[in-house]
Amino acid sequence: DTGVSQNPRHKITKRGQNVTFRCDPISEHNRLYWYRQTLGQGPEFLTYFQNEAQLEKSRLLSDRFSAERPKGSFSTLEIQRTEQGDSAMYLCASSLEAARGYTFGSGTRLTVV
Amino acid sequence: AQTVTQSQPEMSVQEAETVTLSCTYDTSESDYYLFWYKQPPSRQMILVIRQEAYKQQNATENRFSVNFQKAAKSFSLKISDSQLGDAAMYFCASGNYQLIWGAGTKLIIKP
Repeated sequence: DTGVSQNPRHKITKRGQNVTFRCDPISEHNRLYWYRQTLGQGPEFLTYFQNEAQLEKSRLLSDRFSAERPKGSFSTLEIQRTEQGDSAMYLCASSLEAARGYTFGSGTRLTVV
Repeated sequence: AQTVTQSQPEMSVQEAETVTLSCTYDTSESDYYLFWYKQPPSRQMILVIRQEAYKQQNATENRFSVNFQKAAKSFSLKISDSQLGDAAMYFCASGNYQLIWGAGTKLIIKP
């Protein structure tokens, strides 16, 4: 297993366009998380899945954001009608047990122009 | 609200010396874990060390150790024999499955 994989690594989009990111977790990990990180800050929770079920979603997340994890494998994060404030690094992580912590992917850097 | 505070935006240390990074947290959970992660420039977040809150014994991983003071809600990271490769942002996190993160401490290693 090569770890958590995120694609694309970088995405530049015009304001108002939709974007979709993909995350492939470690295969035996049943939990998958999406976080957003802006420069100089720690990760901010967006949502998380246990298998295919989305268990929690941040109240800070607008309706423009949606995430799926079909069949409990890879996950996608879609942002509709992007705004400049959406520019950030989007991090995906997976885990098996809470005590072991997360394994992170390399992130997708989104720039909205 | 649950919070994690890292009061040192930046720390510097001479190579081979010891440095301690501070972290305090506030949580209403009875069952939680504490973590230190390292994020080198333009690279992914890597787990450095973890601590179960129900364990009194401080965790140690090679040159990295923690000072966990549960009553004070303090979880500091000590790096011994600092190396150039230790230069990175260090994040403290607290929680169970969903983690709350501090703003990070930038560690600079002086050769």
